[in-house]
Amino acid sequence: GQQVMQIPQYQHVQEGEDFTTYCNSSTTLSNIQWYKQRPGGHPVFLIQLVKSGEVKKQKRLTFQFGEAKKNSSLHITATQTTDVGTYFCADRVLGGTSYGKLTFGQGTILTVHP
Amino acid sequence: SQTIHQWPATLVQPVGSPLSLECTVEGTSNPNLYWYRQAAGRGLQLLFYSVGIGQISSEVPQNLSASRPQDRQFILSSKKLLLSDSGFYLCAWSRDRGRDYGYTFGSGTRLTVV
Repeated sequence: GQQVMQIPQYQHVQEGEDFTTYCNSSTTLSNIQWYKQRPGGHPVFLIQLVKSGEVKKQKRLTFQFGEAKKNSSLHITATQTTDVGTYFCADRVLGGTSYGKLTFGQGTILTVHP
Repeated sequence: SQTIHQWPATLVQPVGSPLSLECTVEGTSNPNLYWYRQAAGRGLQLLFYSVGIGQISSEVPQNLSASRPQDRQFILSSKKLLLSDSGFYLCAWSRDRGRDYGYTFGSGTRLTVV
């Protein structure tokens, strides 16, 4: 089945530094969703990217979908301690009997040092 | 507005005992429902999903089963728990056939099998 690889596994940054996590697939992704999970919490939906080359921004967060729809990235500018958590990408199946099913990457654990 | 309820929040069960985790969704009809397991705070593994009452799809062979007795109720069960069943269990819902919506997760159940 579809596999979504996410790197890095861990990222430690000083507050104010930038952070990027990457999501890659050997096959074309249907669409990409990004989630954030705070320590001890549950994943929370951030955004969905559908179109090739799409770029979306949410305040300090920038999400990109590759031109070939085989990769995606999440970039955080000037990290804050509130950004701590695990960031997941997920590919959403759009057709057939598995419609709506998400395949998650392994996640990137972000630690921000004040 | 839509809400998802999952209980209990934590559970410690002996090996060989039965399990029943319940998830209910309010404020929507005919949702797609999902059970995920997260081990060691990392990736999310899809266990079961359901697109309607009585319709259950299993993703991995395991010691667990799922049922959907009502439109907005999803139950995860086991007749005899194994040590390897320990983990963080998350229920989620998404809109049926909606392209632009992410999953909404419940707050999860931390299961420890001893």
